[in-house]
Order: sequence, then structure tokens, then C-alpha cells
Amino acid sequence: AQSVTQLDSQVPVFEEAPVELRCNYSSSVSVYLFWYVQYPNQGLQLLLKYLSGSTLVKGINGFEAEFNKSQTSFHLRKPSVHISDTAEYFCAVSGVGNQFYFGTGTSLTVIP
Amino acid sequence: ETGVTQTPRHLVMGMTNKKSLKCEQHLGHNAMYWYKQSAKKPLELMFVYSLEERVENNSVPSRFSPECPNSSHLFLHLHTLQPEDSALYLCASSQGHLAGGSTDTQYFGPGTRLTVL
Repeated sequence: AQSVTQLDSQVPVFEEAPVELRCNYSSSVSVYLFWYVQYPNQGLQLLLKYLSGSTLVKGINGFEAEFNKSQTSFHLRKPSVHISDTAEYFCAVSGVGNQFYFGTGTSLTVIP
Repeated sequence: ETGVTQTPRHLVMGMTNKKSLKCEQHLGHNAMYWYKQSAKKPLELMFVYSLEERVENNSVPSRFSPECPNSSHLFLHLHTLQPEDSALYLCASSQGHLAGGSTDTQYFGPGTRLTVL
């Protein structure tokens, strides 16, 4: 079975500061990893995904994530956040079959 | 219109009502999904359709009944719901035509906020 854990439910950070949103997964098979963002009153939008190859993945809006197989992690980072980054962030994993597993989400609040 | 649209955006219904949620994708995708998003819980994948055939049904109660008449439209028919069914229902689509395609990027609609009284 596969699962995703997002350790932080809320992350407040000052504008222009760096941020890291943590994601750990468990799986006995090869997985594909995703980060999605959800702005208020909107659906989820893909930020980035790891399928294979380089473990450092760059996405939209200046975000990047690093796949660490030994630590079963896929943490999301941004070196300098903006007010507009305030949103809910979801880590997800997929693998065998048609299943996608999402974490519970991390609410990022950027403080002016 | 572009992307994935959902109607209605908000719905309030009694436990004895029958209603339907509609999803439409304008992306030419082959797979469509229904998710349930409840506060403080992970998104729950409910149903997956690939080329109009249901390929996944994750032990969803029978009071939820999906319908996919063509690759662009997906419905979720609701009847005799319970208050705990109140949630945001999200529709998504992806390119994959092989039973969902787990590498696919999913494109989500804005959701329908459902309240069951």
C-alpha cells in the first residue's frame, strides 16, 4: 500500500523568506510523486512532478522539489516566497494501477 | 471555455433529495476522476473513468452513482446522502487512456461545495 504524510498542517513564513514544505511517502514499489497547489475557491493545480531521472525537479512559480529515495521524501522548496504563494499545498503519490494518494495538505501563509 | 468546469459550484440538499453534479473537460482528455475533499483529511479518490469505462471504484457508498456518457462529461448522481457527505467534490481529467495512467498530470475543476442538511 502507498501513503503520503505531510508533517506540517500550517506553515507561516514572512515574505521573501525561504520555505520548505515536507512530504514523506511510503511505498513498496516505484512511485511517481507530485506537488499540487490549491488557491482559495479553486481546484488543484500541478506545481511539479517527479517521474524519473534527475532527483531535483523544478516547477512553476519558482518552486522545486527533491526526491530522496533513501529517506522516502519529496520536500517542496522555494528560496523566496511572495504573498501570492499563500495557498494549500498537497503532495501526492501514484504507482501501481489507477490510484493516487494525496496528503492532508499544508496551508502556507505568507506574512507581509 | 477551457480546462475543467464543474456545476453547480455550491449545492445544499436534504437527506431525501436527489441531485447531480456535472463536470465537463475541454482538454481532449481520455480519463476523468471524482474526488472528495473533506477538511483535514486527504483527498479521497472516488471513481476513475477511462474512455468512458469505469476502471476504479474505491468502496464508495451506493448513494453516490457516477455516469460518464462521453469522454468530455462526467456526472455524480446523489441520493439519500448523509450529513457526513458534506464536502468539496472535485472533478479532474488527464490525458491517459490506459486506465488512468499514473504518470499523468491531472487537471482539476474548481469543485462543488456540497452541504447535506
